[in-house]
Amino acid sequence: EAGVTQFPSHSVIEKGQTVTLRCDPISGHDNLYWYRRVMGKEIKFLLHFVKESKQDESGMPNNRFLAERTGGTYSTLKVQPAELEDSGVYFCASSQDYSYQETQYFGPGTRLLVL
Amino acid sequence: KNEVEQSPQNLTAQEGEFITINCSYSVGISALHWLQQHPGGGIVSLFMLSSGKKKHGRLIATINIQEKHSSLHITASHPRDSAVYICADGGSQGNLIFGKGTKLSVKP
Repeated sequence: EAGVTQFPSHSVIEKGQTVTLRCDPISGHDNLYWYRRVMGKEIKFLLHFVKESKQDESGMPNNRFLAERTGGTYSTLKVQPAELEDSGVYFCASSQDYSYQETQYFGPGTRLLVL
Repeated sequence: KNEVEQSPQNLTAQEGEFITINCSYSVGISALHWLQQHPGGGIVSLFMLSSGKKKHGRLIATINIQEKHSSLHITASHPRDSAVYICADGGSQGNLIFGKGTKLSVKP
């Protein structure tokens, strides 16, 4: 069974440009989470999808970030326009059920560098 | 606001040593997760526990709800255990609140 995959693995862009990150969860997992780790800080929650609906987007830093999950399968996270402080590693995770007792399976992350 | 604190931040051990990493949290939790991140790699879930103790191979995780404290132990450590170990509070809706991680280096 394939794990959570993320694309691209690395992205280097200039300030003001747009970047779109993609996450493919494990097949059949309704729950999809986005997290971010900026340099020197702990990983922080961005948002949570249940199928195609946003269950919790309280961690989204500002309106330059837009996440979608059309059809409840893969998800994209767009940053437009990117700023220097957006640099970091963006992780996606998925789980089968909606419960604090569910193991989350993480993708390898996308390393974003904004210059 | 729930804060998750880990100690130590960095840990160097000799192969074969018994290792303990500690995690404290400030409010009641639903479930506590221990995760492992290898250099350049993704994140792997090791344990999820809300009470007692869990064991998997050489790894043991314990939690004390009253003291709001959890520990991750590694017995007979090996260089391949070198990684960043992260504890995270599993909120009621599933989103995780992470500690800053403990960077472990096991020397041969």
